Amino acid sequence: QQQVKQSPQSLIVQKGGISIINCAYENTAFDYFPWYQQFPGKGPALLIAIRPDVSEKKEGRFTISFNKSAKQFSLHIMDSQPGDSATYFCAASTGGSYIPTFGRGTSLIVHP
Amino acid sequence: GAVVSQHPSWVICKSGTSVKIECRSLDFQATTMFWYRQFPKQSLMLMATSNEGSKATYEQGVEKDKFLINHASLTLSTLTVTSAHPEDSSFYICSAYAGNSPLHFGNGTRLTVT
Repeated sequence: QQQVKQSPQSLIVQKGGISIINCAYENTAFDYFPWYQQFPGKGPALLIAIRPDVSEKKEGRFTISFNKSAKQFSLHIMDSQPGDSATYFCAASTGGSYIPTFGRGTSLIVHP
Repeated sequence: GAVVSQHPSWVICKSGTSVKIECRSLDFQATTMFWYRQFPKQSLMLMATSNEGSKATYEQGVEKDKFLINHASLTLSTLTVTSAHPEDSSFYICSAYAGNSPLHFGNGTRLTVT
């Protein structure tokens, strides 16, 4: 049973465009929602995270939008750059544990 | 920021041999370390959770006799793939957890069994 559903599986965006990746969850006990960025041959790195008490968090070109009632959250990458080309994983964790349940990942390609 | 060092970054071994992968938290003490396996274009699959000084907890379907995990100190955990076979070829990633902050991941080990 997939606890965190992520879409799309792959995404191609032109340089300067907006990349949007969506995730949905069922477990209402989730209380921490991080996004990880993974480059080929490397481990995942924490990119940005949000808690359900806020609806949006922005860090530079990266924004998380969170809809608690719909149990959905999304990552927006503004002014996408070729260097953003990577695999992005959404995740969720419970009870302050920070131990993530990962989505399936989205392979993002940003064309120059 | 917190750094997790994983070694080696890649290894090639012959079928039937054993391979050891090390995971170190360089600037913090990790109460818990996790080992993941990742197949190409797939998500991370949690293999086991290890706490310092105690036996690892393995996820369902993971052979504990094949994937030996030792967490001898608060800064070091090792994963030994015993009697490796080609189907064990994969990308193995460790992560370390101090209990009060998000997970920090190592850079992974690419294992190829010939």
